[in-house]
Amino acid sequence: AAGVIQSPRHLIKEKRETATLKCYPIPRHDTVYWYQQGPGQDPQFLISFYEKMQSDKGSIPDRFSAQQFSDYHSELNMSSLELGDSALYFCASSLKLGGEKLFFGSGTQLSVL
Amino acid sequence: GNSVTQMEGPVTLSEEAFLTINCTYTATGYPSLFWYVQYPGEGLQLLLKATKADDKGSNKGFEATYRKETTSFHLEKGSVQVSDSAVYFCALSLQTGANNLFFGTGTRLTVIP
Repeated sequence: AAGVIQSPRHLIKEKRETATLKCYPIPRHDTVYWYQQGPGQDPQFLISFYEKMQSDKGSIPDRFSAQQFSDYHSELNMSSLELGDSALYFCASSLKLGGEKLFFGSGTQLSVL
Repeated sequence: GNSVTQMEGPVTLSEEAFLTINCTYTATGYPSLFWYVQYPGEGLQLLLKATKADDKGSNKGFEATYRKETTSFHLEKGSVQVSDSAVYFCALSLQTGANNLFFGTGTRLTVIP
C-alpha cells in the first residue's frame, strides 16, 4: 500500500540558506501535517492543511512557510536557516473526516552547518 | 493546557520481560490517546489508540487503557522481544476537528537477548 512520501530523505544546508521539503500524502488523504523532531526530542507540531487551506498552526517559526497544492502534496519552505533548525521533519497525512489516524512519512533529516 | 508526561528512559529489559511505560496527560477537553512507535531510521507508526474513558487499545501484544480518573494511558506488554526495541511516544489529540497531536518526550526501549 502507498505510504506518505517525503523528499529529500537527507538535506544539508548552511546557515542563512533556504530549504524546501516536500510531502506526498497517501492517495485520497486531504489533510497534511508537519512536525519537527529535534535530536532526542519529541515531535513538535508545526502546521497543518486541509483541502489546501491552513487548518491549524503550531510552533512554526515566521521564517518557515508551507502550503498544500491542488494535488494535495505539501511543501515546507524554510528560509534564513539557523543551526537550531537541524532536525528530522515529519509529514503526516489523514482523512479529515476519517478519524484521528495519522500516517507518518519517514521524515527529512535536515542538517544546518 | 494540553500536555503529555511520559516515563523517562532509557529502559533496558531482557527478552520476555514485562514492560510498562507510564504516560499521564492533561487536556482541556476530552482527548483521544495514542501510542506511537519509532523504529531506528523510520517514521512514527501508530501502535494503538483509545478514544474514550475505559477503552483499551491493543496491538502486537501491547495494551493501554484510557483511565480518566488517573488521567493515564500506560503502555504494557507481557513479554517483550528484541524486535520491540524502539522509541515509544505517548500522544493525545483533542477531538476538536484539528487532528494535530501533542507528544510526550518518548521512551527508548532496548530489549536484550
